[in-house]
Amino acid sequence: SQQGEEDPQALSIQEGENATMNCSYKTSINNLQWYRQNSGRGLVHLILIRSNEREKHSGRLRVTLDTSKKSSSLLITASRAADTASYFCATERIQGAQKLVFGQGTRLTINP
Amino acid sequence: DAGVIQSPRHEVTEMGQEVTLRCKPISGHDYLFWYRQTMMRGLELLIYFNNNVPIDDSGMPEDRFSAKMPNASFSTLKIQPSEPRDSAVYFCASRPTGNEQFFGPGTRLTVL
Repeated sequence: SQQGEEDPQALSIQEGENATMNCSYKTSINNLQWYRQNSGRGLVHLILIRSNEREKHSGRLRVTLDTSKKSSSLLITASRAADTASYFCATERIQGAQKLVFGQGTRLTINP
Repeated sequence: DAGVIQSPRHEVTEMGQEVTLRCKPISGHDYLFWYRQTMMRGLELLIYFNNNVPIDDSGMPEDRFSAKMPNASFSTLKIQPSEPRDSAVYFCASRPTGNEQFFGPGTRLTVL
């Protein structure tokens, strides 16, 4: 099964609202990363959070990590139409380092 | 830097034909990854290299798939013979040690 499981699978909100996506995983990790994929394009790295970190910010993005619950969340504040994309979490396991295991992704739609 | 370069961007072929996908990683990156993305299975890691050496090919679906990295600036993924179920978007990604992955634009393969 997938290491990362995103929730929800699809999310549709109005422009200006905040969007929250969740990710759960099963095994111990070195870090967790979030990526964005626009339709027909490759994935773009957004943010990396290490296993000893609990929260990280980058612009309008806020990521939290709870290693006790093996879960992470990605918050996008003040959403824009350009944020419409699929968002993936990916985990780098302690064993099998350097390779990432991706979840199925959350399809985010921002309505103008 | 131009980023990760993949060619061709689109490939349409008939069942039984040989398909070769090409990738040029970002200069200086030690790791190169090949992924396959489909609606049904999501993003799957096929194989990855470190300093041109294959490290983990456990994701390669079967013997019809092979990958090489003859030097630090070039890798190929070959499917011979191709089958309709191989239709997918194939991504190449590279990374320096310890950092995020940089994805290419992908090759959309259609096997008729």
